Amino acid sequence: GAVVSQHPSWVICKSGTSVKIECRSLDFQATTMFWYRQFPKQSLMLMATSNEGSKATYEQGVEKDKFLINHASLTLSTLTVTSAHPEDSSFYICSASYPGTGDTEAFFGQGTRLTVV
Amino acid sequence: AQSVTQLDSQVPVFEEAPVELRCNYSSSVSVYLFWYVQYPNQGLQLLLKYLSGSTLVKGINGFEAEFNKSQTSFHLRKPSVHISDTAEYFCAVRYGGATNKLIFGTGTLLAVQP
Repeated sequence: GAVVSQHPSWVICKSGTSVKIECRSLDFQATTMFWYRQFPKQSLMLMATSNEGSKATYEQGVEKDKFLINHASLTLSTLTVTSAHPEDSSFYICSASYPGTGDTEAFFGQGTRLTVV
Repeated sequence: AQSVTQLDSQVPVFEEAPVELRCNYSSSVSVYLFWYVQYPNQGLQLLLKYLSGSTLVKGINGFEAEFNKSQTSFHLRKPSVHISDTAEYFCAVRYGGATNKLIFGTGTLLAVQP
């Protein structure tokens, strides 16, 4: 149990276009999901906390108009990178809090490699 | 400020040798501690966690870690490593409070050599 799936696993897009990344909790309901960004050979940086049915909470320095987060249901959160530019190229990872552990533990998706050309 | 420190960016070790990956966190009244492993171009897999109780925690793949409150450390150990253990290892902390977000260390690359 406790599987989180991200789609797509990789995507290449042209500069100026938008890309949507999905994060799904397959076998549990997650009221809270998190979006991270990871640069090569670096750690995960939290971008935002996504709560079902409410606006996401963005970390300092993250452009909320550029990285749109929607948590429309208890099993799905989406991250849309709007008007993507090459500097947005990165590895994006989502995670979902697992209620079976009192939300103390989060399970991670497999990540999405975004390349903007 | 809340922070997690992994002092070693890379740890080379020979196969079947023991290894310790260090993790220190900024002091707090209550913390939950985690170790994750990441293989290239993949997400994170939980190795083990400390929530409460025994300070020695055993995880998957033969890894274990010990929570040391006085030293604010949560070092990861394995008595005998395999080539397949080569990966990036991240220590993460969830600090007590309303939020359940994780703060990650910078990661340690465990490079197992034959």
